[in-house]
Amino acid sequence: GAVVSQHPSRVICKSGTSVKIECRSLDFQATTMFWYRQFPKQSLMLMATSNEGSKATYEQGVEKDKFLINHASLTLSTLTVTSAHPEDSSFYICSARGPGQGNTIYFGEGSWLTVV
Amino acid sequence: AQKITQTQPGMFVQEKEAVTLDCTYDTSDQSYGLFWYKQPSSGEMIFLIYQGSYDEQNATEGRYSLNFQKARKSANLVISASQLGDSAMYFCAMREGLSGSARQLTFGSGTQLTVLP
Repeated sequence: GAVVSQHPSRVICKSGTSVKIECRSLDFQATTMFWYRQFPKQSLMLMATSNEGSKATYEQGVEKDKFLINHASLTLSTLTVTSAHPEDSSFYICSARGPGQGNTIYFGEGSWLTVV
Repeated sequence: AQKITQTQPGMFVQEKEAVTLDCTYDTSDQSYGLFWYKQPSSGEMIFLIYQGSYDEQNATEGRYSLNFQKARKSANLVISASQLGDSAMYFCAMREGLSGSARQLTFGSGTQLTVLP
């Protein structure tokens, strides 16, 4: 079945540095991917919609200069957290609509980011 | 207004028994899709079951079934013969728009299910 892979699964970075998270569709093309953020014991909150070959669409309240999204190919979207701060520590997870009729939305494994 | 409401923050069920996780939704679209995902402590989101707004039959996938009551705007998940491995957070989600559209999912707040031995 369709698979979405996310990397890294866990990352620790120093405050002020940038960290990149990759989201790949392994056996299908995804013109649109979605990035979510999840705090402990809470639901998934959509951050942005990543569109291949064009600018991402950010949800209200999400800083586009802080959370840079690049969707350079049909199988890869990246989320870069720039100048990370401890409050950016969270679980980040991407998703893509599956191939064919596309009723199923597939998620990556998620990435745990800790900023120290 | 909340688009997806899960009123049960936590649920307990005895192993081998059935459990129903509630989900109600709010949309003015005629076309929409309803999803249930399981999220274990590792964080991955595991797709369980899908129900389209025009589907007349309730969706079933193994031990999972979706009790779809369109007029009441509810899409409850029923897990039969619960297993210890079913202990996890369960999210109900909705995609508004036609099947195949690139619209994002909106999630409920989740229900933490604990299966007791």
